[in-house]
This record gives sequence, structure tokens and C-alpha cells, in this order.
Amino acid sequence: GQNIDQPTEMTATEGAIVQINCTYQTSGFNGLFWYQQHAGEAPTFLSYNVLDGLEEKGRFSSFLSRSKGYSYLLLKELQMKDSASYLCAVRDSNYQLIWGAGTKLIIKP
Amino acid sequence: DTGVSQDPRHKITKRGQNVTFRCDPISEHNRLYWYRQTLGQGPEFLTYFQNEAQLEKSRLLSDRFSAERPKGSFSTLEIQRTEQGDSAMYLCASSLVTSGGGQETQYFGPGTRLLVL
Repeated sequence: GQNIDQPTEMTATEGAIVQINCTYQTSGFNGLFWYQQHAGEAPTFLSYNVLDGLEEKGRFSSFLSRSKGYSYLLLKELQMKDSASYLCAVRDSNYQLIWGAGTKLIIKP
Repeated sequence: DTGVSQDPRHKITKRGQNVTFRCDPISEHNRLYWYRQTLGQGPEFLTYFQNEAQLEKSRLLSDRFSAERPKGSFSTLEIQRTEQGDSAMYLCASSLVTSGGGQETQYFGPGTRLLVL
């Protein structure tokens, strides 16, 4: 079967750095996405990785290792507004998105 | 506003009633997806369209669910004889797929929150 694993919940302090991990087992791989979802709202696109390595976008970076079936989302200089769920999704060989359950990130002052 | 829009944003209905939701995608997008999401879970794929053609429907989707995209623009999702288990957020997303392939990013609408009493 296809599976995406993420921690259920993480807590971090305002101004700090946090790394949210995602491991996947899918039938094929055609890219990995990270989305942010605030409570009661729709997911919004954060980043896309299809090749190994690090993609940086401001305070957010995403890393991919295809051989390990592993990705992480790195958030720097955390702000209270970063409190949200972070969803990892992998596009499989049929070009369907397989979604993780999301990691709820709690930021404390 | 040129994002994905959904209507209504909230719907409360009684068990056994039919409900219909509408999604208007980003205008130049040719793909439209419907998902269902419950608390603490990621989006669950329901179905998707390429232009007006419905290309895939989840095997988990019962016959009470039907979706249309008659002119390749807006789409409707109908749930017949609603059950309490249908209570969820229904998300619509759209994307642009080109013949050259590459990154296809889905952009989501605000969702329709359904409560079946």
C-alpha cells in the first residue's frame, strides 16, 4: 500500500527553528509537495521538490532524498502565525497526490 | 479575486436530504479536483476532471456522490441521501496541466463545511 508518515504534533518557540519530517512509501514518485493549513481553512501551497536536495523560499526550506523516501520542511524564525498544520503529499506513478495526515505545529511565545 | 471559490461555505442538512456544492476554479486551469477532509486527516481524493471529462473517481466513493463539470469551467458535487458520516470539509482544487509536463500545483478553494444532523 501507499503510505505517508508525519508526526502528529510538534511544539516550538517563537523565533526558533523547527524541522517537520515526512517519510513516504508510494508506487512511484513524481514530486513531493508541502502545504500549510490553518484551522478551518484550505491548504495553501508552500513548496515542491522533485530532485534531491534543498529548496529554499524565504523562511521556509524543503529537502528531499528520493533514495530514502524522506523529506523535511524547515521553518526558521518562527512566528505565531506559523501555527498551523503542515501537510506532506507525494505524487505517485499515476500522478495522483497521496496525502499525509498532517503535522500540527504549535508555536509558543 | 482570481482564486478558487466554493459555494456555500457552510451547509447544515438533515440526514436523508440531498446537497449540492459548487466550485469555480482559477479561470485558465484545466484540471479540477474534489477532496473530502475530516478533522486531523489529510485531504481524501474523491474525483477529478480534465476539462469536462471526469477521468477518475475514488473507489471509496459511494454511488450517492456524483460530480459534473459540464462546460469545463465550474463543477458541482452532489451528495444524495446524506448520512451523518458525510459530515466533513469538502475541498475543491484546480491546476494547470500542460503537454510539457512538469510541476502541477493544485490550488485549493476555501472549502464547504457540511454538517449532517
